Amino acid sequence: DTGVSQNPRHKITKRGQNVTFRCDPISEHNRLYWYRQTLGQGPEFLTYFQNEAQLEKSRLLSDRFSAERPKGSFSTLEIQRTEQGDSAMYLCASSSMSGTDFYEQYFGPGTRLTVT
Amino acid sequence: AQRVTQPEKLLSVFKGAPVELKCNYSYSGSPELFWYVQYSRQRLQLLLRHISRESIKGFTADLNKGETSFHLKKPFAQEEDSAMYYCALRGEYGNKLVFGAGTILRVKS
Repeated sequence: DTGVSQNPRHKITKRGQNVTFRCDPISEHNRLYWYRQTLGQGPEFLTYFQNEAQLEKSRLLSDRFSAERPKGSFSTLEIQRTEQGDSAMYLCASSSMSGTDFYEQYFGPGTRLTVT
Repeated sequence: AQRVTQPEKLLSVFKGAPVELKCNYSYSGSPELFWYVQYSRQRLQLLLRHISRESIKGFTADLNKGETSFHLKKPFAQEEDSAMYYCALRGEYGNKLVFGAGTILRVKS
């Protein structure tokens, strides 16, 4: 499968614990996006990277959230001191800056986080 | 502010009936509009974008700037069209997508 991959697919954690998710984009894509989706809502933008640079962060991304893309390839999203309100599906997407699918975002399967 | 509104949470139609999924947006500049679809147990995928002006799987959508709408239409629904549909907007200077809450389309036989 050459699409966007995310690990783990499911994560159950206790309130107050830290969690980290990983996203592997399509190999030639230099843009990577994180979204969060709660029940009954569409995905909401969290942040995006162009290569290793984090270019935009949403106000939804509180101080407990941090995202990295150290070598411009895979990305990690860490949530510290999780709260029940963090329970959601976390989606990753990637896009290219060239070619016929210029800027089209390809989504991964998501990581479902449940905070108990 | 950028906002996308999909007024219907669920649209249920019979096979062969016409379908129209509504989408209205709020944006002061020149947005790019998309429809994404998520079939059962599959990932979110792009269905169509307004700038390509093409029909995908029989679906079309026209951007109406006067009414700030981007409704998705199909003349004859098929059972395999049953899915969650999201309308999304991207601003002219941004890269993020702003999604609506989605509409579940159920096509009954």
